[in-house]
Amino acid sequence: DAGVTQSPTHLIKTRGQQVTLRCSPKSGHDTVSWYQQALGQGPQFIFQYYEEEERQRGNFPDRFSGHQFPNYSSELNVNALLLGDSALYLCASSLVLSPYEQYFGPGTRLTVT
Amino acid sequence: GESVGLHLPTLSVQEGDNSIINCAYSNSASDYFIWYKQESGKGPQFIIDIRSNMDKRQGQRVTVLLNKTVKHLSLQIAATQPGDSAVYFCAETYSGNTPLVFGKGTRLSVIA
Repeated sequence: DAGVTQSPTHLIKTRGQQVTLRCSPKSGHDTVSWYQQALGQGPQFIFQYYEEEERQRGNFPDRFSGHQFPNYSSELNVNALLLGDSALYLCASSLVLSPYEQYFGPGTRLTVT
Repeated sequence: GESVGLHLPTLSVQEGDNSIINCAYSNSASDYFIWYKQESGKGPQFIIDIRSNMDKRQGQRVTVLLNKTVKHLSLQIAATQPGDSAVYFCAETYSGNTPLVFGKGTRLSVIA
């Protein structure tokens, strides 16, 4: 049973560029949440997708957008990258009926230079 | 908004001793709490949870205590092992389906 997978593992981008991160949920899960984890901090909720729609959103600007596909996989897009966007981006999957039983992927380490 | 915080950023314990990791939460409306363990290079891993109608819950070698009066949460790990070395986060939410709010984390180092 595959767990949550994320790609790529590491990514280096330049300020102003755009980035797309990908997540495949745990088998059987239908809900995907994205978190940003700055170094030495706890994860911060970005948004959550279910049935290909954004259900909840945290305090992040519109530069952060996402998508969920019919197979429940998801993408996180960040436009006009800032140095402060450098962080570990975590994807967590769950079932809509058990929203807090979240399984996290290993994350994508994004460095913006 | 209100957020979860931790008293101690680092904790070092001898192998075999018990560990206690503390967490203070500020949102009195929160009614569900989770402890996560994050090892280097990995995502957070669920350890144990507790609802606000309980004050204690035990798992395998772990116990979570909740004191709603002082809005305090603790994670006790019995007979700490080297494999317990990680960063531990508490997270809170209100069961009205609000997002999880994580604290900053405590790094636990186990000395062999």
